[in-house]
Amino acid sequence: GAGVSQSPRYKVAKRGQDVALRCDPISGHVSLFWYQQALGQGPEFLTYFQNEAQLDKSGLPSDRFFAERPEGSVSTLKIQRTQQEDSAVYLCASSLRRQENQPQHFGDGTRLSIL
Amino acid sequence: ILNVEQSPQSLHVQEGDSTNFTCSFPSSNFYALHWYRWETAKSPEALFVMTLNGDEKKKGRISATLNTKEGYSYLYIKGSQPEDSATYLCAFISGSNYKLTFGKGTLLTVNP
Repeated sequence: GAGVSQSPRYKVAKRGQDVALRCDPISGHVSLFWYQQALGQGPEFLTYFQNEAQLDKSGLPSDRFFAERPEGSVSTLKIQRTQQEDSAVYLCASSLRRQENQPQHFGDGTRLSIL
Repeated sequence: ILNVEQSPQSLHVQEGDSTNFTCSFPSSNFYALHWYRWETAKSPEALFVMTLNGDEKKKGRISATLNTKEGYSYLYIKGSQPEDSATYLCAFISGSNYKLTFGKGTLLTVNP
């Protein structure tokens, strides 16, 4: 497709379950970012990939969060043993290169609710 | 910790009104400022990327200015329309470290 695609759009899970969120970036985009947006807050940086290399994971809130991009295209954000505080919108964004003066292209997000 | 503040938090205007809101950010080690519009149930859409002090950018009825020395940017909407209703997010990049630090956004509602 033409834009960044995220799936699922909505995910409801019980506390303690594992979840996996998928991001399909724009074809050819080298850089991929994950953000977490809690209610009433702005998006917060989680992690950054350049091709298949995870260059920065400093924003991941705990070791229950894991992200991968094995072939430098599709990325998966996995959350293990989910907690209620993980409820948020998870946004994925891509850009052609690591160019800070170019906009990032965002997907629609996955709204995760932990019961 | 970088602090990006947006004001007001929310704003209600009538169709046809012009409006503006503010993004403030650290004035040291500035690299770029991004503005995004986020409509409900859609993806955030890039409006502007601003890099130079004194920059003014325009896209239709929307324009933005940038003052890096004092650390603020204004977003202006002329003749607001109901379809302008959205959350407007600004995001700051410090140095050249690629990370966007977002404000909490300004929620604009334009009443017909």
